[in-house]
Amino acid sequence: GQQLNQSPQSMFIQEGEDVSMNCTSSSIFNTWLWYKQDPGEGPVLLIALYKAGELTSNGRLTAQFGITRKDSFLNISASIPSDVGIYFCAGQLNTGANSKLTFGKGITLSVRP
Amino acid sequence: DTGVSQDPRHKITKRGQNVTFRCDPISEHNRLYWYRQTLGQGPEFLTYFQNEAQLEKSRLLSDRFSAERPKGSFSTLEIQRTEQGDSAMYLCASSSGLATYEQYFGPGTRLTVT
Repeated sequence: GQQLNQSPQSMFIQEGEDVSMNCTSSSIFNTWLWYKQDPGEGPVLLIALYKAGELTSNGRLTAQFGITRKDSFLNISASIPSDVGIYFCAGQLNTGANSKLTFGKGITLSVRP
Repeated sequence: DTGVSQDPRHKITKRGQNVTFRCDPISEHNRLYWYRQTLGQGPEFLTYFQNEAQLEKSRLLSDRFSAERPKGSFSTLEIQRTEQGDSAMYLCASSSGLATYEQYFGPGTRLTVT
């Protein structure tokens, strides 16, 4: 099935550094969401974006909904060890009965103390 | 809110056996979704319910898979005649009717078919 594009597959940063992750799609979406998943657990919702061009923050996290509605980015500032995990972007059309999420493959973030 | 719960958390079964998983959504969330996640991939949509009505099913959901939500609260996902390719994490999510884009996931059920 269709998946969103996230790359690279893994990122390694030093504690305290900022990191930015991108997500692109060949199709437009009406909503973009970012999730974090720890091993053996379900994804946890971090940020939801509802309008093209929207910039939203949640603590040290900032995410933007691309103007073309085909991309989004997530920025984590001043990283800490508990930021380690897999970060997924997800898009949703949310039109009528269509509210399923389409996910990227995820980016595994490692933070060196 | 107590969050989305799933049971069991882990299931090991032999090929050919039937398995059933349960999902309890956040109370008063009227939409419930099932996803499947394999190693190194993001979750993939299987099916979803609005109240007790099953509104969409993915092509991934073969005839061996069936999902129900009889009273519009908890849901079950059954896999008949399991195959090794069914080994995956099965995730359940729920959302309210007011904010359907905000889907909250449970911890998942890890299925291993030997």
